[in-house]
Amino acid sequence: GAVVSQHPSWVICKSGTSVKIECRSLDFQATTMFWYRQFPKQSLMLMATSNEGSKATYEQGVEKDKFLINHASLTLSTLTVTSAHPEDSSFYICSAALETSGRIADTQYFGPGTRLTVL
Amino acid sequence: AQKITQTQPGMFVQEKEAVTLDCTYDTSDQSYGLFWYKQPSSGEMIFLIYQGSYDEQNATEGRYSLNFQKARKSANLVISASQLGDSAMYFCAMREPYSNSGYALNFGKGTSLLVTP
Repeated sequence: GAVVSQHPSWVICKSGTSVKIECRSLDFQATTMFWYRQFPKQSLMLMATSNEGSKATYEQGVEKDKFLINHASLTLSTLTVTSAHPEDSSFYICSAALETSGRIADTQYFGPGTRLTVL
Repeated sequence: AQKITQTQPGMFVQEKEAVTLDCTYDTSDQSYGLFWYKQPSSGEMIFLIYQGSYDEQNATEGRYSLNFQKARKSANLVISASQLGDSAMYFCAMREPYSNSGYALNFGKGTSLLVTP
């Protein structure tokens, strides 16, 4: 089956530093990847859609200058949390869709997530 | 506006029994897809089952089946013969035709399922 990896699985950093999270589709190519954020005991909230070769599309309320997304290849997207603060502490999950001819039916496979703690 | 509604924050079921997790959705599109994911305490999101809006038959995948009632806009997940390992959060999600978010999924708030011995 389709596998998506994320690295690192957890990170602790000091306030003001930047953290980069990688998302890779291991056995398929994905022109589109998605970044979600999940607070404890809450649902997944879409942050942005990452498009290979073009700029990411951010959801309303998500600061594009704070959450930098780069989709460098068909198998790699990165999310950089710049100047992280304690309120950025959360569980970040990426996903990639195994694209077929019927986009509605494309199954979205998720990475294992990255737990970010900002001190 | 909330597009996916899961009204059961938590559910209990005894091992080997069947359980139904509710999901209703809101869309004006004729073409859409409905998904169920399982999230154990480890955090990974595991795809369980998919139902397309034009699919005439309810989707089934092993012990999982989806009770799709299009007129009522509901897509309930049925887990048969529950196992202890089924204890997790379950999320219902919908994908609509291309929007500003591309083909991203809209998730409900989830239902926490606890399977007891």
